[in-house]
Amino acid sequence: QVTLKESGPGMLQPSKTLSLTCSFSGFSLSTSGMVVSWIRQPSGKSLEWLAAIDWDGDKYYNPSLKSRLTVSKDTSNTQVFLKITSVDIADTATYYCARRGYYSAHYFDYWGQGVMVTVSS
Amino acid sequence: DVVLTQTPVSLSVTLGDQASISCRSSQSLEYSDGYTYLEWYLQKPGQSPQLLIYGVSNRFSGVPDRFIGSGSGTDFTLKISRVEPEDLGVYYCFQATHDPFTFGSGTKLEIK
Repeated sequence: QVTLKESGPGMLQPSKTLSLTCSFSGFSLSTSGMVVSWIRQPSGKSLEWLAAIDWDGDKYYNPSLKSRLTVSKDTSNTQVFLKITSVDIADTATYYCARRGYYSAHYFDYWGQGVMVTVSS
Repeated sequence: DVVLTQTPVSLSVTLGDQASISCRSSQSLEYSDGYTYLEWYLQKPGQSPQLLIYGVSNRFSGVPDRFIGSGSGTDFTLKISRVEPEDLGVYYCFQATHDPFTFGSGTKLEIK
């Protein structure tokens, strides 16, 4: 059974660094063709793809945020991390991680429940 | 960035009727490998998005055959025949042909 779960600080101040964790089970990110993405959604708005990391450790970023994003994974290939530097109010959103295939299964088939992050002074 | 324009913004449908959602892309979504990376997701109230359709017209496992995706190039459609109460929510199209990946602005389906 595949599950993903995001965790984060809940609230942080502007200019700080946001650190998020996606913990998953039921698959390994060391499996060829596996990719985990980060996607966010401000309340009442649409979704925005942020970044991804694949089984080989290759990283992909949305150019609009690239300078502020860092995606990484742990050595056990069961967690993916996202750091966003210099946050501001516009980064207030629910953040999701989702699994996607690279060679096949070209879709987000499993999503986490999302973690709400509020940026406020 | 590729812009996906969804219409209508909202849709109120009687149970048992058909609903149709359009997704128009600012660029062709056919990749050089011939595949079109166009997907449809449904976000039910208070839930994460869930996959309905991938590759324009392929239903994901467990998705009822009432959901039909079609289109090519820049114009895509999701049709829901015989709308049921559990179909309410916001529908998003998504493209992974061009970098960065982008989502449409969403179509909210309400039940009359």
